[in-house]
Amino acid sequence: AQKITQTQPGMFVQEKEAVTLDCTYDTSDPSYGLFWYKQPSSGEMIFLIYQGSYDQQNATEGRYSLNFQKARKSANLVISASQLGDSAMYFCAMRDYTGNQFYFGTGTSLTVIP
Amino acid sequence: EAQVTQNPRYLITVTGKKLTVTCSQNMNHEYMSWYRQDPGLGLRQIYYSMNVEVTDKGDVPEGYKVSRKEKRNFPLILESPSPNQTSLYFCASSLGRGQGHEQYFGPGTRLTVT
Repeated sequence: AQKITQTQPGMFVQEKEAVTLDCTYDTSDPSYGLFWYKQPSSGEMIFLIYQGSYDQQNATEGRYSLNFQKARKSANLVISASQLGDSAMYFCAMRDYTGNQFYFGTGTSLTVIP
Repeated sequence: EAQVTQNPRYLITVTGKKLTVTCSQNMNHEYMSWYRQDPGLGLRQIYYSMNVEVTDKGDVPEGYKVSRKEKRNFPLILESPSPNQTSLYFCASSLGRGQGHEQYFGPGTRLTVT
C-alpha cells in the first residue's frame, strides 16, 4: 500500500516566489518521522527538513518550512523566496514507528523560472 | 569529512554475472540501508541493517543479498542480476533508528544489466 503520496509530478515557480510541495502519508501508528529530501540533477540526495509525529510546532530550516497537519496526514514543504538553485526533484519520506523502514514518495520536479 | 561512499559509481554488466556494490560510512552509524530509484517510482527500500550482523528485508528484497560484518560496511550483492534490476542504487546511513535521525546518502551507483 502506498505510504507516501506526492500528487504533483511537476511544478513551476517564479524566482523569489514561495512554493508549496504537497505530501500526504498513510499510517495508523502514533510514532513516525517525516522527511523531505532534495535531489538536484547531479543525483545526490540532500536532507532538507524533519518533522516528528509528536512535534507540536511546524519545523523550519532557513527558507524551508514544513506545514504539518496531523489530522489530515499531510506534510507539505514550503520553500520561500525561490532561487534558481532550488530547481530539483523533491522527495517526501516517512520513517516508520520501528525506525527501520523508510517510505518515499514518487517525487515532485520543481523548476524555478527566472 | 563525514560521508557515505559507494563503489562502483557506474556499472554495466550482463545477465547472471554476480556483482557486489560496496557501501562504507565513516560516521560510526548503527543503521544502514539500501534503496533503488526508478523513474516514476521514487526510492524503494531493498534491505536495512540495524547493527552489525542484524539485517532485514525492505519492500523490494527479491534478487538481492546484503551482509553487515563490520559497522562501517554494508555491501549489496546481486548473485544473478537480471535486466529488471537496472536502476540507480543508493546506500544510506543514520546514527540510529530514532525518528529524528536523518539518513545520509551515498552518491549512488547506476547499474545497467543487459
